[in-house]
Amino acid sequence: AQTVTQSQPEMSVQEAETVTLSCTYDTSESDYYLFWYKQPPSRQMILVIRQEAYKQQNATENRFSVNFQKAAKSFSLKISDSQLGDAAMYFCAYRSSNNAGNMLTFGGGTRLMVKP
Amino acid sequence: NAGVTQTPKFRILKIGQSMTLQCTQDMNHNYMYWYRQDPGMGLKLIYYSVGAGITDKGEVPNGYNVSRSTTEDFPLRLELAAPSQTSVYFCASSYSMSGSQPQHFGDGTRLSIL
Repeated sequence: AQTVTQSQPEMSVQEAETVTLSCTYDTSESDYYLFWYKQPPSRQMILVIRQEAYKQQNATENRFSVNFQKAAKSFSLKISDSQLGDAAMYFCAYRSSNNAGNMLTFGGGTRLMVKP
Repeated sequence: NAGVTQTPKFRILKIGQSMTLQCTQDMNHNYMYWYRQDPGMGLKLIYYSVGAGITDKGEVPNGYNVSRSTTEDFPLRLELAAPSQTSVYFCASSYSMSGSQPQHFGDGTRLSIL
């Protein structure tokens, strides 16, 4: 079974600065998908960014980018120019390509605080 | 655009009571999921469905039941509520056939068992 680990329970960043959230995963598969979800206090689960394992190029979405290191099984999220609205729980998630139900396995989350 | 709709948003149950958490989606997604999120933790899969009439267990199915009679609806049933089932429950859906497609989540149901 795959596992996803987020080793930073909490992170803090100054507004307008850059922060990197860590995620590692354990899998024996070569083809899979990785996601970062944001959960603000409203409890909504909002997709931030996704990465296909077969793509070498790191995904980017505006101020959000990932550093995908397949050999190291690492998938970190970089948030540039942090804004107060970025404060939330962030969850890393893994989905196997062999998974008939397309289920997600989530990490334990990192709480990001943004200081004005 | 409604997306994934969960009802109720909050509920308090007494030990031993039963209830059904409702979930409906209007995106014609074949795949639907139920997760629970305990305080300070990530989401864990309870049950999932790949289409009407087809359901399967996830990581933590004990104490729950599901049904999928239509594409749109995927209710989660708690038969004998226990304090360990106090959690936030999320329903999600996704388009089938492509693993890169994200899951779309409802706003969650906060359930307390007292």
